[in-house]
Amino acid sequence: AQTVTQSQPEMSVQEAETVTLSCTYDTSENNYYLFWYKQPPSRQMILVIRQEAYKQQNATENRFSVNFQKAAKSFSLKISDSQLGDTAMYFCASSGETSGSRLTFGEGTQLTVNP
Amino acid sequence: EPEVTQTPSHQVTQMGQEVILRCVPISNHLYFYWYRQILGQKVEFLVSFYNNEISEKSEIFDDQFSVERPDGSNFTLKIRSTKLEDSAMYFCASTPYTDYGYTFGSGTRLTVV
Repeated sequence: AQTVTQSQPEMSVQEAETVTLSCTYDTSENNYYLFWYKQPPSRQMILVIRQEAYKQQNATENRFSVNFQKAAKSFSLKISDSQLGDTAMYFCASSGETSGSRLTFGEGTQLTVNP
Repeated sequence: EPEVTQTPSHQVTQMGQEVILRCVPISNHLYFYWYRQILGQKVEFLVSFYNNEISEKSEIFDDQFSVERPDGSNFTLKIRSTKLEDSAMYFCASTPYTDYGYTFGSGTRLTVV
């Protein structure tokens, strides 16, 4: 079984600044994957970044990067140079080999970027 | 960029009625999913589908739910007798392989009155 916890229901940041969203997870899997999804007001789910647990190197996608701490089971998302379009709900999610391919989501963090 | 397409975007139905939510996954993807999100709550897994059969389903996916891939492109979720608590956003997703990360559709907002 997998659980994903996001302890920050809401966060805000000024445009152009950096913000970090927290996520912790628990899993019994040896091989698993971690994701951050963005859900803007349109409510579409958009994949932001993906991390393979067996890779030590933190994933990056342009302004988005993760800090993956495997021993601590932590997977935080850093957004650099925040833009107004980054305003959205952000969900952390995990999937594992023996749990099939189902995604387990956290509760979400509502991020607001202020001008 | 390829998209997962869901129709309708919004459906209102009376309690007890049957609804069919439709999805067109990305054409070369092999794994298909339905998730739902009740307003203000986390996204929940319903069912996964591979090789023309259900590969996994959650405890939410009871006998009132069914999925079908009637042809090579469509993937449908049927709710036989809707209840008020079925009101939610329903997302279809697909992926070429299971560890890749899904592409989600834009969702169908189902309102049961």
